[in-house]
Amino acid sequence: DTAVSQTPKYLVTQMGNDKSIKCEQNLGHDTMYWYKQDSKKFLKIMFSYNNKELIINETVPNRFSPKSPDKAHLNLHINSLELGDSAVYFCASSHTATATNEKLFFGSGTQLSVL
Amino acid sequence: KQEVTQIPAALSVPEGENLVLNCSFTDSAIYNLQWFRQDPGKGLTSLLLIQSSQREQTSGRLNASLDKSSGRSTLYIAASQPGDSATYLCAVGGGADGLTFGKGTHLIIQP
Repeated sequence: DTAVSQTPKYLVTQMGNDKSIKCEQNLGHDTMYWYKQDSKKFLKIMFSYNNKELIINETVPNRFSPKSPDKAHLNLHINSLELGDSAVYFCASSHTATATNEKLFFGSGTQLSVL
Repeated sequence: KQEVTQIPAALSVPEGENLVLNCSFTDSAIYNLQWFRQDPGKGLTSLLLIQSSQREQTSGRLNASLDKSSGRSTLYIAASQPGDSATYLCAVGGGADGLTFGKGTHLIIQP
């Protein structure tokens, strides 16, 4: 069983469209994250989310919004896609957000290409 | 603002050699430091996690050290194998703010 799974693996779309990426974890973790890996392979956190709190990286445009229907899912919605949004998006989870011994478990990524 | 630097950016060595990857960070107020491996087209796999109160962790042929006061960590790989070829990422932080990643070291082990 895949611990953290995200779909789709590849997403090609036109500028201006709205798209979503889904993420599910079956680890029973309380905290989920979205990371963006740009063309230079640099990984940056976008959001962290648990049952109670959403923390947003201040550099993330408000066209990006995470939505969590339940603890096991954190989907990423992107409105009005721009060329610069092209990147690989990774979902991740951890048991809690505050323990010092919490490993992060990553999904395999969604490669988004905006044309 | 936390910044993480990894040196070297790329490394190519013959199979069997021992090697060291370096990571430095600017803010010592961290929950932990983690080393990840990323294979092309795939996600990240956690290799080692060192809590802020610890000095090192070992897993098989891998050993990672942490010196918080100097803002440095090293990942030591013993007896390297072609299967070790990947990009190795260092990340610090943890907590609700998540991890801050370095840009990685692209490692190639020549058979």
